[in-house]
Amino acid sequence: GDSVTQMEGPVTLSEEAFLTINCTYTATGYPSLFWYVQYPGEGLQLLLKATKADDKGSNKGFEATYRKETTSFHLEKGSVQVSDSAVYFCALSTGTGGSYIPTFGRGTSLIVHP
Amino acid sequence: NAGVTQTPKFQVLKTGQSMTLQCAQDMNHEYMSWYRQDPGMGLRLIHYSVGAGITDQGEVPNGYNVSRSTTEDFPLRLLSAAPSQTSVYFCASSYSGQSTEAFFGQGTRLTVV
Repeated sequence: GDSVTQMEGPVTLSEEAFLTINCTYTATGYPSLFWYVQYPGEGLQLLLKATKADDKGSNKGFEATYRKETTSFHLEKGSVQVSDSAVYFCALSTGTGGSYIPTFGRGTSLIVHP
Repeated sequence: NAGVTQTPKFQVLKTGQSMTLQCAQDMNHEYMSWYRQDPGMGLRLIHYSVGAGITDQGEVPNGYNVSRSTTEDFPLRLLSAAPSQTSVYFCASSYSGQSTEAFFGQGTRLTVV
């Protein structure tokens, strides 16, 4: 079945450091890929997405490129801020079994220190 | 914009009690789903619905019931609460389609003692 694997956290960085959170996937068919962010005490919200190979999703300084050859969708940001502290979830959707309910990774906690 | 509204935000139950977590969306989304979030386990799908009158089981359905009588509402029922059901529960909704975004509620933190 479909699955998403994310690097374990927490990831702890100083402000203005470079961020990478790794995400790889296994899927039947040709999935759409997503990154969601969860701030403390809140629900998840979409950060960015990509729907086909070599697409780059971007938002709020975050980027991720859909790499079909390596089945990966790594999240990057050039300079993190304290306000980026949150839990980040990688997800995919394929329509397997007739529904488009997304499959989520376990989440990676990011802590950014001033 | 209300989006996805979950009630209550917090709940404490005694073992064996039953309750219903409410979820409502005002975006006319076909898809609705319930997840539980536990430390180290990420989000696990409990039940989902692809339209009014249609529901199906997810990864961890035992101990939970759902129904979808309207497009807007998708309540989750705990039949006989157990301490293992202590968790944060999220409801989500989306349009049908592979590239569509899921919208989440703020969550319900449930403690079963």
